[in-house]
Amino acid sequence: DVKVTQSSRYLVKRTGEKVFLECVQDMDHENMFWYRQDPGLGLRLIYFSYDVKMKEKGDIPEGYSVSREKKERFSLILESASTNQTSMYLCASSSRRGSPNEQFFGPGTRLTVL
Amino acid sequence: LAKTTQPISMDSYEGQEVNITCSHNNIATNDYITWYQQFPSQGPRFIIQGYKTKVTNEVASLFIPADRKSSTLSLPRVSLSDTAVYYCLVGDENAGNNRKLIWGLGTSLAVNP
Repeated sequence: DVKVTQSSRYLVKRTGEKVFLECVQDMDHENMFWYRQDPGLGLRLIYFSYDVKMKEKGDIPEGYSVSREKKERFSLILESASTNQTSMYLCASSSRRGSPNEQFFGPGTRLTVL
Repeated sequence: LAKTTQPISMDSYEGQEVNITCSHNNIATNDYITWYQQFPSQGPRFIIQGYKTKVTNEVASLFIPADRKSSTLSLPRVSLSDTAVYYCLVGDENAGNNRKLIWGLGTSLAVNP
């Protein structure tokens, strides 16, 4: 089974702090994604990556950056956390060799910025 | 730009068939239609995917009319454990420079005893 793990289930940070959210997948997937999920807004794509060191902006990249130095790891960085970044963050991965859009999600990190 | 629209919520009873429709009027030629299920405190889980006509697996069926402007997820004989949020996704993540994934806002299905 594909396993996507996220570094924390719950995280509390202060405004202005730099925040790192880590995601690791163990199935050699090429594609990795970061989403945020808010009530009434569904899933919104922040960034995605189709290969090591590659990244592309999603729908709401402002205030975020990403890093993909190794194929299995995709990090989301909040350079200076703000209260409006309080949300559930979901990481996903998928294979270009599999069904298109069959993404495997991690359990999520609930981030609270005070 | 494609947009997906689905009902916010639905109610059903155990043993009934549930159909959730998603409209995607501006679907592109190379877009796939994918449905996910999400339980509280978990990430979404892939259920089924199709391009046209009908697809069936052990969990659900997916009906896509010829014009592909909508799709219907069909859950046969639901049980209490099918209570979840169901998301429709349209796009093709491997489509090239114009990759665009459009998620619906989710349909919260409540299955009652």
